[in-house]
Amino acid sequence: EAGVTQSPTHLIKTRGQQATLRCSPISGHTSVYWYQQALGLGLQFLLWYDEGEERNRGNFPPRFSGRQFPNYSSELNVNALELEDSALYLCASSFTRNIQYFGAGTRLSVL
Amino acid sequence: EDKVVQSPLSLVVHEGDTVTLNCSYEVTNFRSLLWYKQEKKAPTFLFMLTSSGIEKKSGRLSSILDKKELFSILNITATQTGDSAVYLCAVDNAGGTSYGKLTFGQGTILTVHP
Repeated sequence: EAGVTQSPTHLIKTRGQQATLRCSPISGHTSVYWYQQALGLGLQFLLWYDEGEERNRGNFPPRFSGRQFPNYSSELNVNALELEDSALYLCASSFTRNIQYFGAGTRLSVL
Repeated sequence: EDKVVQSPLSLVVHEGDTVTLNCSYEVTNFRSLLWYKQEKKAPTFLFMLTSSGIEKKSGRLSSILDKKELFSILNITATQTGDSAVYLCAVDNAGGTSYGKLTFGQGTILTVHP
């Protein structure tokens, strides 16, 4: 069974650009979660989508947004990139509110 | 605000040693505590604990939760170099503004030397 898949693996952008990160959940999972893991910091919760709706968001500015598609895959969009947005972005999926399983992440570098 | 604190932050041992990793938490609506192992990028699930005093075991790894004292420990016996990783503790909140999110600790970096 395929795990959570994320693309791209690496993404290099410059300040002010927009980044789009993608996540495909484990088959049968309806919830997708996004976390940011910046260097020296723990995993910080960004967003939770379930059945196509945003259910909760963390303490991040509105330029962090996303959506969940009818097939339960998800996109994370980061607008007006800043240097401090450089981090590993991890996606996780779960069936309803059960155990969250993580993907390998997208490493975003903002120059 | 929910808080998870892990100790020690780093640990260096030799193969065959036994290690104990600690996790204490403060949450408003506790639902469960989870342990993950992060080697390169993807945190991999180890245990989910919901009840006090019931040990979860998988091979050389075991974990237990104390809901009265608000902590959990992760034990690894007969450590191997493959156990070298960051071990993450996270708490799942049952409601309120933290509903649905995992609150993570800083992680414990375990290094096992041959």
